[in-house]
Amino acid sequence: DIQMTQSPSSLSASVGDRVTITCRASQSIDNYLNWYQQKPGKAPKLLIYAASSLQSGVPSRFSGSGSGTDFTLTISSLQPEDFATYYCQQSYSSPHTFGQGTKLEIK
Amino acid sequence: QVQLVQSGAEVKKPGASVKVSCKASGYTFTSYGISWVRQAPGQGLEWMGWISAYNGNTNYAQKLQGRVTMTTDTSTSTAYMELRSLRSDDTAVYYCARVSIAAAGNKWFDPWGQGTLVTVSS
Repeated sequence: DIQMTQSPSSLSASVGDRVTITCRASQSIDNYLNWYQQKPGKAPKLLIYAASSLQSGVPSRFSGSGSGTDFTLTISSLQPEDFATYYCQQSYSSPHTFGQGTKLEIK
Repeated sequence: QVQLVQSGAEVKKPGASVKVSCKASGYTFTSYGISWVRQAPGQGLEWMGWISAYNGNTNYAQKLQGRVTMTTDTSTSTAYMELRSLRSDDTAVYYCARVSIAAAGNKWFDPWGQGTLVTVSS
């Protein structure tokens, strides 16, 4: 199975900050990488697919990059509604594993 | 709008089975797949498998092989996930999600159902 490792596991930041979350795959997954946001008690929401494609309706302050084994999710200017847990997921091979999550908290 | 609506919470005893439904609306059901993902209390997301609503082909996580069955009813645009021989560590919120597949093979999940809490307790 491909292991997905996110860093950091938790992060404190302030409104207006630029934030970067990293996801590393245990083997190359080309660009088969998605990012999701989950708020407490809610279902995950797709932000980025195929490593860098912004899902329709998602604010442009979210962006994704990377290929191979190393990927990043960047939020250019944090808004109050962005405080949540973020997960990466690979769809290169089954099982389509998720990272352990990065909890983004208010400083 | 595209929507997935799941069945309600379930409480089951160890060894029993549970079947969760996921009714799709707002899109052509057979043009996408449905994946199931679960989340134990306070934990991360675990991919369980997926089914093509076009031809019924399935792909299950190895750890659940033999206990899980995913099906679809195209006449009602509903997907089902049955999990058998339930254990306490199957207690989780179970989500369905629509699967989109790019020509290159990338898959992504959007939207997701609201989740169904399955509690396994004696």
